[in-house]
Amino acid sequence: SAVISQKPSRDICQRGTSLTIQCQVDSQVTMMFWYRQQPGQSLTLIATANQGSEATYESGFVIDKFPISRPNLTFSTLTVSNMSPEDSSIYLCSVLGTENTEAFFGQGTRLTVV
Amino acid sequence: AQKITQTQPGMFVQEKEAVTLDCTYDTSDQSYGLFWYKQPSSGEMIFLIYQGSYDEQNATEGRYSLNFQKARKSANLVISASQLGDSAMYFCAMEGGGFKTIFGAGTRLFVKA
Repeated sequence: SAVISQKPSRDICQRGTSLTIQCQVDSQVTMMFWYRQQPGQSLTLIATANQGSEATYESGFVIDKFPISRPNLTFSTLTVSNMSPEDSSIYLCSVLGTENTEAFFGQGTRLTVV
Repeated sequence: AQKITQTQPGMFVQEKEAVTLDCTYDTSDQSYGLFWYKQPSSGEMIFLIYQGSYDEQNATEGRYSLNFQKARKSANLVISASQLGDSAMYFCAMEGGGFKTIFGAGTRLFVKA
């Protein structure tokens, strides 16, 4: 299993500002995933973060808005840039278990943009 | 493209009874994995059960079982002996190409006392 520490757990931010979310895993993993969960909705994959290369973004998500860093095999950050109220969501990081039979999630970051 | 469909926005079940949450999927991959997750109001994602596409037996984990019908591309979750603490959102998910996991829209389960 993997234990993921994600912070901050929640934040209230002013529109136009940026927030960086951190995700720390207790073991080395090749891929880390960032998801967004808008209020009352399901999880939508933002991007896949690989160590040593640029993140791969899903359709509808761009690097300028959601820059991602992956400096090593246990850590990643997601920045939500130039925030607007529409960015109010829960953001979650995730990794796959060693046998790919389970995805582990951080506790999530509940972001409110005012 | 891969897709997960959960057609039940909300379900009610009486405490101690069994309930089935529906999930159908679409993929062209031969090898894939199917998951169910529970999300209580706290927001955390709790892994419940996994079924691999080549697994011949239906997966079971305690009170949870996965009714896997590969030809019909369905992976329904069965919760036996429902408890009040089972009230939550339930998401069906699939891991396929690129190891990405995609999620269905979710089903909110209400357990009545």
